This record gives sequence, structure tokens and C-alpha cells, in this order.
Amino acid sequence: KNQVEQSPQSLIILEGKNCTLQCNYTVSPFSNLRWYKQDTGRGPVSLTIMTFSENTKSNGRYTATLDADTKQSSLHITASQLSDSASYICVVHTNAGKSTFGDGTTLTVKP
Amino acid sequence: DTAVSQTPKYLVTQMGNDKSIKCEQNLGHDTMYWYKQDSKKFLKIMFSYNNKELIINETVPNRFSPKSPDKAHLNLHINSLELGDSAVYFCASSQGLAFRSSYNEQFFGPGTRLTVL
Repeated sequence: KNQVEQSPQSLIILEGKNCTLQCNYTVSPFSNLRWYKQDTGRGPVSLTIMTFSENTKSNGRYTATLDADTKQSSLHITASQLSDSASYICVVHTNAGKSTFGDGTTLTVKP
Repeated sequence: DTAVSQTPKYLVTQMGNDKSIKCEQNLGHDTMYWYKQDSKKFLKIMFSYNNKELIINETVPNRFSPKSPDKAHLNLHINSLELGDSAVYFCASSQGLAFRSSYNEQFFGPGTRLTVL
């Protein structure tokens, strides 16, 4: 069982709609949590980075939330665009130097 | 200018061969990484170098040997390639180690798709 679980595994939405991706983790001791967007055939691109004390962080139409007590994070995408179609990966870094990646959520935005 | 570049982009080779993948970053970062992404798209860190010194070496077979000639380069040499080595390998860099600070944003290269026949 992965210590960073993402859901759903895949998601299809219509252009213009909002969606929320989930990331639950058990790794510790927590240092920071990152969300990445990975387009097909490309390397991951950083969207947000959050530390223990941060609850919300936005990057344009992307808003990440973090609840360090329940060890849950979400990535909300507002007014989706076709270019949002990609894999979204949640990564948790620990103070011990360990980096654990989630399996990713594949988002497809249809016109 | 490409921030993190990798060569080659594609690599097809026979089992048992030795091959190298090169990575260069022009961001002035101190830390570089190698990641492996398997067919299920699962990313896993392999190595992390900080100021040319090996910091993290996950459970990677010793057939994989990273080499950092300077802070801007981290090459990956693979000996005696096996079928299971087929994957996409990503190089990344950050100013400092990602786990130490949220200010250390990681920048990834475009990936090298390795196919072992």
C-alpha cells in the first residue's frame, strides 16, 4: 500500500467545469507536500508547495489545500480548460529525506 | 533556453549493454536528482546529489551509477541492462534539497525513454 494515496485514479470532466483531486498520506515526519502536473510525454511541472503550517495555496486556477491533522490534501481546478488534461501527482517529502510519490490522477477535459 | 535538459530523448538497446544518460541544468542549482517512471506512470526517486555529493540513494541496483562532474551535470550510467530497466528516466534540479525547504522547487527535464529489448 502506497503511503501517498491519490483519488480518483482517473477523471473526465467537461471544459469549464471545476474538479477536485484528493491526496491522503501516511508518511512522516512531514516536511512539505507538492502537487505536480505532468503532460503526456513531458516532465512534471510544479504547481504548489505547502508546508505544515499552510492550509491553502493558489497558483492561477489551481488551489491546493492541506489538512496536516488528517493528513489530507486536495487540488481544486477551477473553470477547467482542455490544456488541463494531464496527470496530477501528489508528492510528500519527509524531514528524514524521503520523497514519496502518489500514483497520480489522470484528468481528461473534454470540449 | 531549456532549464533542465537530458540526452538522449529516446534510447533503445539490447539486454546486457551498458548505456549512459546525460543531464544538464543551467539554473545554477546545487541539487540534482534522477527519477524512474515505470509503465504505470509511477515516479520513484533513485538518486539525489547536493553540491556533487551523493545524498540519497534509494534501493537501486548497483548497476546504476550516477556521476556528477560538476554541479550543473548529473549523468546516469547503467551497466548490464535488463528488461526491467525499461522506463522513462527524469532528471531534476532544485536550489537545495526538496525535503529541506518548500522554497526548493524542483524543475524536471523532459525525460529519456529507455527501451531494453
